Amino acid sequence: QQPVQSPQAVILREGEDAVINCSSSKALYSVHWYRQKHGEAPVFLMILLKGGEQKGHEKISASFNEKKQQSSLYLTASQLSYSGTYFCGTEIRGTNFGNEKLTFGTGTRLTIIP
Amino acid sequence: NAGVTQTPKFRVLKTGQSMTLLCAQDMNHEYMYWYRQDPGMGLRLIHYSVGEGTTAKGEVPDGYNVSRLKKQNFLLGLESAAPSQTSVYFCASTPPAEYNEQFFGPGTRLTVL
Repeated sequence: QQPVQSPQAVILREGEDAVINCSSSKALYSVHWYRQKHGEAPVFLMILLKGGEQKGHEKISASFNEKKQQSSLYLTASQLSYSGTYFCGTEIRGTNFGNEKLTFGTGTRLTIIP
Repeated sequence: NAGVTQTPKFRVLKTGQSMTLLCAQDMNHEYMYWYRQDPGMGLRLIHYSVGEGTTAKGEVPDGYNVSRLKKQNFLLGLESAAPSQTSVYFCASTPPAEYNEQFFGPGTRLTVL
């Protein structure tokens, strides 16, 4: 079952902050975040493995709330280069060990305007 | 390293025709995946492989077949193409160790008329 991402789209001015959420109806083993620019392949941002774990990538960070079965991606002081569609990929607890199979959300389109 | 490559980049088929999409990786990765991406649907897993000679079904396997005869190659076949298979197809690979990122190919845009 696909995780649900919110919002579906967001428009920001350069320098503003954004939060993208990813929720699952099932207990999660891990959450991956990817960014895809128009016409290109998805590119890996980060993986979160444990409840409460936060990771960072430039001014982009994420948290994983195992109890709530959700992850949030934080974009701080957004830059024009952050534009694209962000996808979360979830691995469900109880499935095969390791990064065997991810289920991706439908994506959040982020547009940064000068 | 070329990373993950896909052949062809674009293809137009008529309903009922068959074709094979080729994915190749030179990173010695064990796991390989085929996804399709449609507007508003995100990435949906078609089939995947956890090693040479093995394949498994993903979320949307109907109408597709795959083969992994060599570790570096993962082929996706459409035996009788349908307009519903018009999509962008992405291949990805990852090492077998835990918690690794998936490396994506550039994609193949397929149109079925």
